Order: sequence, then structure tokens, then C-alpha cells
Amino acid sequence: RKEVEQDPGPFNVPEGATVAFNCTYSNSASQSFFWYRQDCRKEPKLLMSVYSSGNEDGRFTAQLNRASQYISLLIRDSKLSDSATYLCVVENTGGFKTIFGAGTRLFVKA
Amino acid sequence: DTAVSQTPKYLVTQMGNDKSIKCEQNLGHDTMYWYKQDSKKFLKIMFSYNNKELIINETVPNRFSPKSPDKAHLNLHINSLELGDSAVYFCASSQAPTGGSEKLFFGSGTQLSVL
Repeated sequence: RKEVEQDPGPFNVPEGATVAFNCTYSNSASQSFFWYRQDCRKEPKLLMSVYSSGNEDGRFTAQLNRASQYISLLIRDSKLSDSATYLCVVENTGGFKTIFGAGTRLFVKA
Repeated sequence: DTAVSQTPKYLVTQMGNDKSIKCEQNLGHDTMYWYKQDSKKFLKIMFSYNNKELIINETVPNRFSPKSPDKAHLNLHINSLELGDSAVYFCASSQAPTGGSEKLFFGSGTQLSVL
């Protein structure tokens, strides 16, 4: 079993749609959780951290369920510029080992 | 100023050659990493260094030898290159992890093609 698993997609949605991505992780001792975004042929960049209580940043909402070892990302009112690969990220080993999921590809169409 | 810079951006070479990729960060971070992203776009950690000391080596073949002359630099030397080494290699840095709230800053990647 992979340490971090994501729905690979691709997700093809129209502008304005709401889309949700899911992620599960295998190590119950994992300490920190993030969503990164990677544009084609570019480096990954932090989108948002994920907190146990859930957190929101504009149109983006992240949720964490430690009991189920499950992380989610909700994007509301999708924009064309949201088209990218979204990477679920889990941090172990005191933060020195950051593990990336394989990513979920999102295409937002006009 | 670029926070994490790595060179070269593209590297095309023959099987069996030895090559190096350089990485420098000007963020004052204590921890640096090398990641490999293969053709399936899976980003996998290779090494992490904290204050020049190796912390994580993810069962990478010993043909790969990272070197950290100081905490701002982490170079990657690869001996006897193989076809399977073709990938994009990303350098990254973060402040000393204290339980995981520090984000990673990535370089723009080095696309290595082994012919």
C-alpha cells in the first residue's frame, strides 16, 4: 500500500463548479498535512496546510480526519486558473520526511 | 532573488556518464532535500539534510551521492547514469522541522535525460 494515496483523476469540470479531492495516508503517526499545487512543468507550491479542525482559505477548504486517516480538499467556484495537479502531502519522522501523493489532475473548462 | 535555485535546468547525457546538479537556497533554512519526479509525475523523496547532516536516505542507489558543503547548499552527484535515472530532480528547503508546520520551498527543477 502506498503511504499516501489520491484519486488520480483527471477531473474535468466547468468554470464555477465545486470539486472535491480525497486522500488517504497509511501512517497513523503522521504529524502534519498539506495540499500543494503543481502546474505543468513547474515546481510544487504550497496551497494550504490542513488542520484537525478543518480550515478555509478563500474558495479552498481542507479537512482532516485522523481516525480515518483521510484528508480532503474542496474547491468552490472553480476558475480556469485552478487547472493544475493537486498533491496531498503528509509529514513524518519529525518533519524530515515529507511524502507526496501521486497527485490529482484538475482541468477547469470555460 | 530566487529563493531556491538549482542548475542546470536541463541536462542531457549518455548512459554511463557522471553528472552533478547544484542547489543553493538563500532563505536561511536549516533543512534541504532532493526529490525525484518520474515520468508518471510521482514525486519521491531521495534525501534530506539538516545543517549539513544526512537525516533521510530513502534507499537510493549509492550511485547517487549528495554533498552539503554548508547548510545553504546541497548538491547531487550521480555516477554511471542509467536510462532509469531520467526524471525531473527537485531541490527543496525548509526551516528546521519542529513537528511539521514548515512548508517546503522548491527549486524550479532539473530535467535529466539519459540517452
